[in-house]
Amino acid sequence: DQQVKQNSPSLSVQEGRISILNCDYTNSMFDYFLWYKKYPAEGPTFLISISSIKDKNEDGRFTVFLNKSAKHLSLHIVPSQPGDSAVYFCAASVGGSRLTFGEGTQLTVNP
Amino acid sequence: DVKVTQSSRYLVKRTGEKVFLECVQDMDHENMFWYRQDPGLGLRLIYFSYDVKMKEKGDIPEGYSVSREKKERFSLILESASTNQTSMYLCASSYRTYGYTFGSGTRLTVV
Repeated sequence: DQQVKQNSPSLSVQEGRISILNCDYTNSMFDYFLWYKKYPAEGPTFLISISSIKDKNEDGRFTVFLNKSAKHLSLHIVPSQPGDSAVYFCAASVGGSRLTFGEGTQLTVNP
Repeated sequence: DVKVTQSSRYLVKRTGEKVFLECVQDMDHENMFWYRQDPGLGLRLIYFSYDVKMKEKGDIPEGYSVSREKKERFSLILESASTNQTSMYLCASSYRTYGYTFGSGTRLTVV
């Protein structure tokens, strides 16, 4: 039972354009959502998070949007840079319990 | 910065061997986790621990066990390695579940 799904295994964008990564979830009890970024041969690193009481959180070039009614989460990167090329995982938790991760999306930003 | 150190970056083991993967964190975190990462499947939780000598099964515990004798160390044990356990293994720790810090991973190949 995949409670967190990232339906796009890969995404390719041009440098300077917007990257939009999507994530859907099925468990309505999730109350905290996170995005992690992973380079090859490294562990995932925390990028940005959002609580279920908000619908948007912004940190520099990264913005996360939460649509609770649609059970949908998205990460916007503007402008995209070649160094953003990585695998992005969304994750969710219930009340601070363990994180449940999606399958990941490979983002490639072309110069 | 919190450091999570996994003892080996790459391991090659034979089918049937008992394999130990070690993870050490240096920030006195209560929570520690073992995940495996496989293409198209994302990060799947194997076992986690909220305190010394405590352990909880994750989503895919079969074929694995864990040990947490000291707060800073969380070991993953493959009782009898099989080829379907070839994977990237990631250890993480957190003070609260919201803030996971991951190690760099161990790429295990079982031949």
